[in-house]
Amino acid sequence: GENVEQHPSTLSVQEGDSAVIKCTYSDSASNYFPWYKQELGKRPQLIIDIRSNVGEKKDQRIAVTLNKTAKHFSLHITETQPEDSAVYFCAASNMFNSGYALNFGKGTSLLVTP
Amino acid sequence: DAGVIQSPRHEVTEMGQEVTLRCKPISGHNSLFWYRQTMMRGLELLIYFNNNVPIDDSGMPEDRFSAKMPNASFSTLKIQPSEPRDSAVYFCASSAARRYTEAFFGQGTRLTVV
Repeated sequence: GENVEQHPSTLSVQEGDSAVIKCTYSDSASNYFPWYKQELGKRPQLIIDIRSNVGEKKDQRIAVTLNKTAKHFSLHITETQPEDSAVYFCAASNMFNSGYALNFGKGTSLLVTP
Repeated sequence: DAGVIQSPRHEVTEMGQEVTLRCKPISGHNSLFWYRQTMMRGLELLIYFNNNVPIDDSGMPEDRFSAKMPNASFSTLKIQPSEPRDSAVYFCASSAARRYTEAFFGQGTRLTVV
């Protein structure tokens, strides 16, 4: 099955700096790559996603890049703010072979200090 | 829509007891997922259903775990007998079972087995 590796496990940045979280996946047939944000004590919620036919997608201060050849994708957060502090999960899915189930990385705990 | 609804929110039980977690997916969603979250293992996919049919239960850790979806609006995850290592947050999520679609998570059930 799909194996998703995520790095780093913890990340601390100062407010205003950028944060980058990287993920690799094992199944070359995976074609959907969402990112979820989980605030302390709350449920994971989708913040951005990218499909396999797209190399980059941006939404205000967050962007995601995908390198299909290398089988890795990254989340970029610019101009970080304290409210960005949370655990971020990447995920991969092969919609054709494994249905609609998401396989998650282990998460990155991001701390943005004022 | 109230979103994905899970009950109970918290459960404390003694080792050896049976535990039943419940989930009501978003109306109209026909894919349902059960995830387990721990610090060590992150978000693990336990089982998922499409149109009430279990598609992949390879993530279910042992025979002590079972899941059912008797109809489109209700699913249960049962642990019998429970063990302390089952302590975790259990999330149910649902999606519309089509390509590139968001999975919506419930609030989770925090299970503590003592």
